[in-house]
Amino acid sequence: DVKVTQSSRYLVKRTGEKVFLECVQDMDHENMFWYRQDPGLGLRLIYFSYDVKMKEKGDIPEGYSVSREKKERFSLILESASTNQTSMYLCASSSETVSAYNEQFFGPGTRLTVL
Amino acid sequence: DQQVKQNSPSLSVQEGRISILNCDYTNSMFDYFLWYKKYPAEGPTFLISISSIKDKNEDGRFTVFLNKSAKHLSLHIVPSQPGDSAVYFCAASVPRGSTLGRLYFGRGTQLTVWP
Repeated sequence: DVKVTQSSRYLVKRTGEKVFLECVQDMDHENMFWYRQDPGLGLRLIYFSYDVKMKEKGDIPEGYSVSREKKERFSLILESASTNQTSMYLCASSSETVSAYNEQFFGPGTRLTVL
Repeated sequence: DQQVKQNSPSLSVQEGRISILNCDYTNSMFDYFLWYKKYPAEGPTFLISISSIKDKNEDGRFTVFLNKSAKHLSLHIVPSQPGDSAVYFCAASVPRGSTLGRLYFGRGTQLTVWP
């Protein structure tokens, strides 16, 4: 089974702090994604990556950056956390060579609270 | 502008009855459609998919119907069970290689199945 793990389930940070969210997948997937989920807004794509050191902006990249130095690891960075970044953050991975329909496998999520 | 829409934020159904969750899309290039299920404090899990060349796909209690001319799909759950209570996300993908594995998600429908 594909496993996607996220470094923390719950995180509390202060406004202005730099925050790192880590995601690791163990199935050699080439694609990795970061979403945030907010009530009534569904899953919104922040950034994604289709290869090491490659990144693409999603629909809401402002205030975030990403890093992918190794194929299995994709990090989301909040350079200066703000209260409106309080959310559930979800990481996912996929492989077009495995799934014709781009099925994504999700991690358990990180509930981030910014005070 | 959202390319995948779930216009009902919530649905309440009695145990044993049918649940019908709806989804509309605007992009005629979508070739696969997926449904995900999400429990609180967990990541979404893949439920069922359908190719655009089909109009129906069935997996146990879950059936997805696709009406391409109307750009509409629906997920039927029969019979509904209390454990089905979750948020259901509709998602769509375009042909391989064109969007780097991206899925387009709706905002989700909260299904509540009561005894």
